[in-house]
Amino acid sequence: AQTVTQSQPEMSVQEAETVTLSCTYDTSENNYYLFWYKQPPSRQMILVIRQEAYKQQNATENRFSVNFQKAAKSFSLKISDSQLGDTAMYFCASSSYVSKAAGNKLTFGGGTRVLVKP
Amino acid sequence: DAGVIQSPRHEVTEMGQEVTLRCKPISGHNSLFWYRQTMMRGLELLIYFNNNVPIDDSGMPEDRFSAKMPNASFSTLKIQPSEPRDSAVYFCASSFWQGANTEAFFGQGTRLTVV
Repeated sequence: AQTVTQSQPEMSVQEAETVTLSCTYDTSENNYYLFWYKQPPSRQMILVIRQEAYKQQNATENRFSVNFQKAAKSFSLKISDSQLGDTAMYFCASSSYVSKAAGNKLTFGGGTRVLVKP
Repeated sequence: DAGVIQSPRHEVTEMGQEVTLRCKPISGHNSLFWYRQTMMRGLELLIYFNNNVPIDDSGMPEDRFSAKMPNASFSTLKIQPSEPRDSAVYFCASSFWQGANTEAFFGQGTRLTVV
């Protein structure tokens, strides 16, 4: 069974500053991916960044980067140069391969609300 | 493609009534997920289908909830009878399976209020 835990319900950051969101996960699978999704007030879920468990190099997407610590089962998201448009709920998710017939199971954490202040 | 389409966007119903939420996945996608989002419990996976077959329904809260996927382009989540504690935002997501590196695409969600 997969579990994903986000221990920070809410965080605030000043515009242009950096904020780091924590995520820990538990899985018995060897082949899995980790994702961060953003949910702005519009409610639409948007993929921010993904990380393959087999890759040691941390993924980056513009101002978004992750710190993947496989042994610790930790997957944090860093938002640099925060912008007002980054205000949203952020969800960490784990995807593990079940089987070719069963596809993938995607499990989410409880979310962290990020407020960027001007 | 129009993305994942959910209907209705908002639903208000009285306790005891039957509620049916609908989802049209992205054409060509072969996995479909139903999630429920609440303040208390975050985003919970209720059930997911692969190639129209229900794979894991362990997240379905109780027998009042049922989901079907009669074909690759349509799925329903039904609550009968509905209760106030079912009030939440229900999301449908779809993906095209490519191994573990499979991004899920979400609909806009249905906000359900049971009074």
